[in-house]
Amino acid sequence: GENVEQHPSTLSVQEGDSAVIKCTYSDSASNYFPWYKQELGKGPQLIIDIRSNVGEKKDQRIAVTLNKTAKHFSLHITETQPEDSAVYFCAAKETSYDKVIFGPGTSLSVIP
Amino acid sequence: DAMVIQNPRYQVTQFGKPVTLSCSQTLNHNVMYWYQQKSSQAPKLLFHYYDKDFNNEADTPDNFQSRRPNTSFCFLDIRSPGLGDAAMYLCATQMGWDQPQHFGDGTRLSIL
Repeated sequence: GENVEQHPSTLSVQEGDSAVIKCTYSDSASNYFPWYKQELGKGPQLIIDIRSNVGEKKDQRIAVTLNKTAKHFSLHITETQPEDSAVYFCAAKETSYDKVIFGPGTSLSVIP
Repeated sequence: DAMVIQNPRYQVTQFGKPVTLSCSQTLNHNVMYWYQQKSSQAPKLLFHYYDKDFNNEADTPDNFQSRRPNTSFCFLDIRSPGLGDAAMYLCATQMGWDQPQHFGDGTRLSIL
């Protein structure tokens, strides 16, 4: 079955710097890769997703890249702000199947 | 406005005393999921409904059951909660396998 690894497990950056979180997946059939942000005491919120027919996607300060050959994908946050502090989960899914496989999460702290 | 609503946000029950958590959605999505999330971990899928079709994960304890009386509502029943069942329980909805999941803010369950 699918396995998703995520690094680093914790990340501290200064406000205004960039943050990068990297994930790898094992099942080449996976074709949908969402990223979720979870703030303390709240449920995960989808912040960006990418499908396997696209190599890169950007939404304001957030971008995701996908390398299907290497089976890895990354989240890039530019100009970080304190409100970006949260746990971020990457995930992988094969869209004809019911289950999303989550990575173990990255705790991001943005230091003012 | 919240589209996946979980009640209550906090639930305390006694060891062995049955408890029911509820989830409602205004999205009219046909898939509803229940996840268990323990501290500093990724959400763990318990089961899901695709319309009325129920799918139980192989490692979900028999102690956990679910009901979906209609499209909008889904319930998680824990028949005899043990101390190890203390966790955040997340409900998520999805419109078909190739769309993102939308999470509620969860119910934090404590066992006395």
